[in-house]
Amino acid sequence: EAQVTQNPRYLITVTGKKLTVTCSQNMNHEYMSWYRQDPGLGLRQIYYSMNVEVTDKGDVPEGYKVSRKEKRNFPLILESPSPNQTSLYFCASSAINRGPSTDTQYFGPGTRLTVL
Amino acid sequence: EDKVVQSPLSLVVHEGDTVTLNCSYEVTNFRSLLWYKQEKKAPTFLFMLTSSGIEKKSGRLSSILDKKELFSILNITATQTGDSAVYLCAPSKAAGNKLTFGGGTRVLVKP
Repeated sequence: EAQVTQNPRYLITVTGKKLTVTCSQNMNHEYMSWYRQDPGLGLRQIYYSMNVEVTDKGDVPEGYKVSRKEKRNFPLILESPSPNQTSLYFCASSAINRGPSTDTQYFGPGTRLTVL
Repeated sequence: EDKVVQSPLSLVVHEGDTVTLNCSYEVTNFRSLLWYKQEKKAPTFLFMLTSSGIEKKSGRLSSILDKKELFSILNITATQTGDSAVYLCAPSKAAGNKLTFGGGTRVLVKP
Protein backbone atom coordinates (compact mmCIF):
# COMPACT_ATOMS: atom_id res chain seq x y z
CA GLU A 1 0.00 0.00 0.00
CA ALA A 2 1.31 3.41 -1.01
CA GLN A 3 1.69 5.51 2.06
CA VAL A 4 3.56 8.09 4.08
CA THR A 5 4.33 7.05 7.64
CA GLN A 6 5.35 9.15 10.59
CA ASN A 7 6.62 8.23 14.02
CA PRO A 8 5.82 8.84 16.74
CA ARG A 9 2.17 9.76 16.34
CA TYR A 10 2.03 11.45 19.74
CA LEU A 11 4.86 12.89 21.77
CA ILE A 12 5.03 14.87 24.99
CA THR A 13 8.46 16.22 25.85
CA VAL A 14 10.14 18.95 27.83
CA THR A 15 11.85 22.12 26.74
CA GLY A 16 15.38 21.57 25.44
CA LYS A 17 15.27 17.82 24.99
CA LYS A 18 16.29 16.99 21.44
CA LEU A 19 13.82 14.96 19.44
CA THR A 20 13.40 13.53 15.96
CA VAL A 21 10.17 12.82 14.12
CA THR A 22 10.65 10.30 11.36
CA CYS A 23 8.91 10.32 7.99
CA SER A 24 9.08 7.61 5.39
CA GLN A 25 7.35 7.10 2.05
CA ASN A 26 7.20 4.02 -0.16
CA MET A 27 6.19 5.71 -3.42
CA ASN A 28 9.68 6.58 -4.67
CA HIS A 29 8.75 10.27 -4.52
CA GLU A 30 11.44 12.87 -5.10
CA TYR A 31 9.69 15.64 -3.17
CA MET A 32 9.10 15.57 0.57
CA SER A 33 7.95 18.30 2.89
CA TRP A 34 7.18 19.05 6.53
CA TYR A 35 4.24 21.18 7.65
CA ARG A 36 2.95 22.30 10.98
CA GLN A 37 -0.71 23.01 11.62
CA ASP A 38 -1.88 25.39 14.29
CA PRO A 39 -5.37 26.69 15.06
CA GLY A 40 -6.05 29.90 13.18
CA LEU A 41 -2.80 29.66 11.22
CA GLY A 42 -3.49 26.71 8.98
CA LEU A 43 -0.84 24.51 7.44
CA ARG A 44 2.56 26.12 7.10
CA GLN A 45 5.58 24.65 5.41
CA ILE A 46 8.70 24.13 7.56
CA TYR A 47 11.20 22.54 5.19
CA TYR A 48 11.09 20.70 1.93
CA SER A 49 13.37 18.51 -0.15
CA MET A 50 13.42 18.13 -3.90
CA ASN A 51 15.65 15.05 -3.80
CA VAL A 52 18.38 13.30 -1.85
CA GLU A 53 20.78 15.78 -0.23
CA VAL A 54 18.66 18.72 -1.50
CA THR A 55 16.73 20.56 1.20
CA ASP A 56 15.42 24.08 1.53
CA LYS A 57 13.58 26.27 4.00
CA GLY A 58 9.86 26.74 3.88
CA ASP A 59 7.92 29.52 5.56
CA VAL A 60 8.65 28.70 9.21
CA PRO A 61 12.03 26.92 9.45
CA GLU A 62 13.32 28.47 12.69
CA GLY A 63 14.07 25.89 15.36
CA TYR A 64 13.96 22.93 12.99
CA LYS A 65 16.45 20.88 11.00
CA VAL A 66 15.97 18.23 8.35
CA SER A 67 18.09 15.79 6.42
CA ARG A 68 17.54 13.76 3.28
CA LYS A 69 20.18 11.04 3.13
CA GLU A 70 17.87 8.52 1.49
CA LYS A 71 15.05 9.07 -0.94
CA ARG A 72 12.41 7.45 1.24
CA ASN A 73 13.21 9.18 4.54
CA PHE A 74 12.94 12.80 5.64
CA PRO A 75 13.33 13.20 9.41
CA LEU A 76 12.45 16.41 11.22
CA ILE A 77 14.82 17.32 14.04
CA LEU A 78 14.11 19.69 16.90
CA GLU A 79 17.49 20.31 18.55
CA SER A 80 16.11 22.28 21.48
CA PRO A 81 12.31 22.18 21.49
CA SER A 82 10.38 25.06 22.98
CA PRO A 83 6.69 25.34 23.96
CA ASN A 84 5.92 27.39 20.82
CA GLN A 85 6.74 24.29 18.79
CA THR A 86 3.75 22.52 20.29
CA SER A 87 1.77 21.69 17.18
CA LEU A 88 0.44 19.05 14.82
CA TYR A 89 3.10 18.07 12.29
CA PHE A 90 2.52 16.53 8.89
CA CYS A 91 4.98 15.04 6.46
CA ALA A 92 4.01 14.95 2.79
CA SER A 93 5.52 13.59 -0.40
CA SER A 94 4.94 13.80 -4.13
CA ALA A 95 6.55 13.06 -7.44
CA ILE A 96 7.92 16.05 -9.31
CA ASN A 97 6.08 16.73 -12.54
CA ARG A 98 7.76 19.30 -14.74
CA GLY A 99 4.67 19.68 -16.91
CA PRO A 100 1.75 22.05 -16.40
CA SER A 101 0.27 20.18 -13.47
CA THR A 102 1.57 19.91 -9.97
CA ASP A 103 1.80 16.41 -8.60
CA THR A 104 -0.50 15.65 -5.71
CA GLN A 105 1.09 15.75 -2.28
CA TYR A 106 0.20 12.82 -0.06
CA PHE A 107 0.18 13.39 3.66
CA GLY A 108 1.29 11.23 6.54
CA PRO A 109 -1.05 10.64 9.52
CA GLY A 110 0.41 13.47 11.59
CA THR A 111 2.43 13.75 14.80
CA ARG A 112 0.96 15.65 17.70
CA LEU A 113 3.82 17.19 19.65
CA THR A 114 3.51 18.85 23.04
CA VAL A 115 6.51 20.65 24.51
CA LEU A 116 6.17 21.45 28.21
CA GLU B 1 3.64 37.59 -0.34
CA ASP B 2 1.39 34.72 -1.37
CA LYS B 3 -2.10 34.85 0.03
CA VAL B 4 -4.97 32.37 0.10
CA VAL B 5 -8.34 33.24 1.60
CA GLN B 6 -11.14 30.76 2.08
CA SER B 7 -14.71 31.63 2.86
CA PRO B 8 -16.82 31.13 4.76
CA LEU B 9 -14.76 30.20 7.81
CA SER B 10 -17.38 27.71 8.85
CA LEU B 11 -20.92 26.69 8.11
CA VAL B 12 -23.57 24.40 9.46
CA VAL B 13 -26.04 22.71 7.12
CA HIS B 14 -28.50 19.86 7.23
CA GLU B 15 -28.22 16.64 5.31
CA GLY B 16 -29.34 17.10 1.73
CA ASP B 17 -28.32 20.74 1.51
CA THR B 18 -25.84 22.05 -1.05
CA VAL B 19 -22.75 23.94 0.05
CA THR B 20 -20.43 26.19 -1.91
CA LEU B 21 -16.94 26.86 -0.62
CA ASN B 22 -14.79 29.67 -1.94
CA CYS B 23 -11.06 30.04 -2.32
CA SER B 24 -9.38 33.19 -3.60
CA TYR B 25 -5.66 33.37 -4.08
CA GLU B 26 -2.76 35.59 -4.95
CA VAL B 27 0.24 33.41 -5.74
CA THR B 28 3.22 34.20 -7.91
CA ASN B 29 4.11 31.64 -10.59
CA PHE B 30 0.80 29.85 -10.13
CA ARG B 31 0.65 26.31 -11.45
CA SER B 32 -2.36 24.41 -10.10
CA LEU B 33 -4.90 24.57 -7.30
CA LEU B 34 -5.56 21.61 -5.06
CA TRP B 35 -8.48 20.89 -2.74
CA TYR B 36 -8.10 18.67 0.30
CA LYS B 37 -10.53 17.32 2.87
CA GLN B 38 -9.36 17.09 6.47
CA GLU B 39 -11.27 15.21 9.12
CA LYS B 40 -9.58 14.49 12.44
CA LYS B 41 -6.43 13.40 10.70
CA ALA B 42 -4.28 14.04 7.64
CA PRO B 43 -5.59 16.00 4.65
CA THR B 44 -6.81 13.76 1.87
CA PHE B 45 -6.68 14.84 -1.76
CA LEU B 46 -9.91 15.77 -3.56
CA PHE B 47 -9.14 17.67 -6.74
CA MET B 48 -6.39 19.30 -8.71
CA LEU B 49 -7.35 22.11 -11.08
CA THR B 50 -5.01 23.50 -13.69
CA SER B 51 -7.22 24.97 -16.38
CA SER B 52 -9.85 27.67 -16.07
CA GLY B 53 -13.50 26.87 -16.61
CA ILE B 54 -13.21 23.09 -16.66
CA GLU B 55 -15.30 21.52 -13.93
CA LYS B 56 -13.95 18.49 -12.16
CA LYS B 57 -16.44 16.12 -10.55
CA SER B 58 -16.21 13.26 -8.15
CA GLY B 59 -19.56 11.95 -7.01
CA ARG B 60 -21.38 14.74 -5.19
CA LEU B 61 -18.33 17.00 -5.18
CA SER B 62 -17.32 19.32 -7.98
CA SER B 63 -14.84 22.13 -8.38
CA ILE B 64 -13.93 24.79 -10.86
CA LEU B 65 -11.10 27.27 -11.27
CA ASP B 66 -11.09 30.83 -12.61
CA LYS B 67 -7.50 31.84 -13.33
CA LYS B 68 -8.47 35.30 -14.48
CA GLU B 69 -10.34 36.22 -11.31
CA LEU B 70 -8.01 34.08 -9.14
CA PHE B 71 -10.55 31.95 -7.35
CA SER B 72 -11.90 28.45 -7.11
CA ILE B 73 -15.18 26.99 -5.90
CA LEU B 74 -15.86 23.62 -4.33
CA ASN B 75 -19.46 22.45 -4.39
CA ILE B 76 -20.96 19.61 -2.39
CA THR B 77 -24.49 18.58 -3.31
CA ALA B 78 -26.87 16.40 -1.28
CA THR B 79 -24.59 16.69 1.75
CA GLN B 80 -24.20 13.81 4.16
CA THR B 81 -22.90 13.73 7.73
CA GLY B 82 -19.71 12.13 6.38
CA ASP B 83 -18.99 15.37 4.54
CA SER B 84 -18.35 17.08 7.87
CA ALA B 85 -14.73 18.18 7.73
CA VAL B 86 -12.40 21.07 7.12
CA TYR B 87 -11.88 21.75 3.43
CA LEU B 88 -8.54 23.21 2.43
CA CYS B 89 -7.52 24.81 -0.81
CA ALA B 90 -3.87 25.13 -1.78
CA PRO B 91 -2.53 26.79 -4.88
CA SER B 92 0.83 25.48 -6.02
CA LYS B 93 3.74 27.33 -7.49
CA ALA B 94 5.67 26.43 -10.61
CA ALA B 95 8.91 26.04 -8.73
CA GLY B 96 9.52 23.76 -5.79
CA ASN B 97 6.13 21.98 -5.69
CA LYS B 98 5.23 24.45 -2.97
CA LEU B 99 1.65 24.50 -1.71
CA THR B 100 0.29 27.54 0.13
CA PHE B 101 -2.70 26.52 2.21
CA GLY B 102 -5.72 28.60 3.02
CA GLY B 103 -7.10 28.58 6.53
CA GLY B 104 -9.85 26.18 5.57
CA THR B 105 -13.62 26.11 5.75
CA ARG B 106 -15.14 23.98 8.49
CA VAL B 107 -18.33 22.26 7.35
CA LEU B 108 -20.68 20.60 9.80
CA VAL B 109 -23.52 18.56 8.32
CA LYS B 110 -26.31 17.80 10.79
CA PRO B 111 -28.64 14.84 10.37
